[in-house]
Amino acid sequence: GAVVSQHPSWVICKSGTSVKIECRSLDFQATTMFWYRQFPKQSLMLMATSNEGSKATYEQGVEKDKFLINHASLTLSTLTVTSAHPEDSSFYICSAELAGVNTGELFFGEGSRLTVL
Amino acid sequence: AQSVSQHNHHVILSEAASLELGCNYSYGGTVNLFWYVQYPGQHLQLLLKYFSGDPLVKGIKGFEAEFIKSKFSFNLRKPSVQWSDTAEYFCAVTTYSSASKIIFGSGTRLSIRP
Repeated sequence: GAVVSQHPSWVICKSGTSVKIECRSLDFQATTMFWYRQFPKQSLMLMATSNEGSKATYEQGVEKDKFLINHASLTLSTLTVTSAHPEDSSFYICSAELAGVNTGELFFGEGSRLTVL
Repeated sequence: AQSVSQHNHHVILSEAASLELGCNYSYGGTVNLFWYVQYPGQHLQLLLKYFSGDPLVKGIKGFEAEFIKSKFSFNLRKPSVQWSDTAEYFCAVTTYSSASKIIFGSGTRLSIRP
């Protein structure tokens, strides 16, 4: 099956620094990737839709200058949390959809846990 | 706006018990419905999906779900659970007009007593 990998799996950083999280589709091409945030004991909240070669589409309430998304190739999307603060600590998950398929069936990464001190 | 409700936040069962997890969605148009499972320390993975056709959908590991359009429901069932079914289960929906924008329910944590 299609595999999506995230890196790093977990990261601890100091307040005010920036952190980059990578999302790769290992064995398929993905024109669209999605970034979610998951708080403890809560559901996944869609943050943004990452489109290869174009600007990301952010959900309401998500600061695009805070969460920079780049989707430079068909297999890689990155999420950069800029000037991170403790309230940004969370579990970030990405998913990808097979290029040319538009059914909503998604393949998820293992998630990246960010802790901001 | 579309939403998905999972009313059971935490379900505890003994092995061999039957399982039914509730899922209701709010949207008046055509939907695609999914159940995803997240085993401890692992990725979210697709358990089963409904796009069209037979409303009773069979998934992996003996799970099934029934789409009841009149009730806006897509409940997940398994006749006899195993300890290995311990996981978080998420119901999700996409709409015909926005097939890639998936909306998740809040999840149900299933704990199976050996």
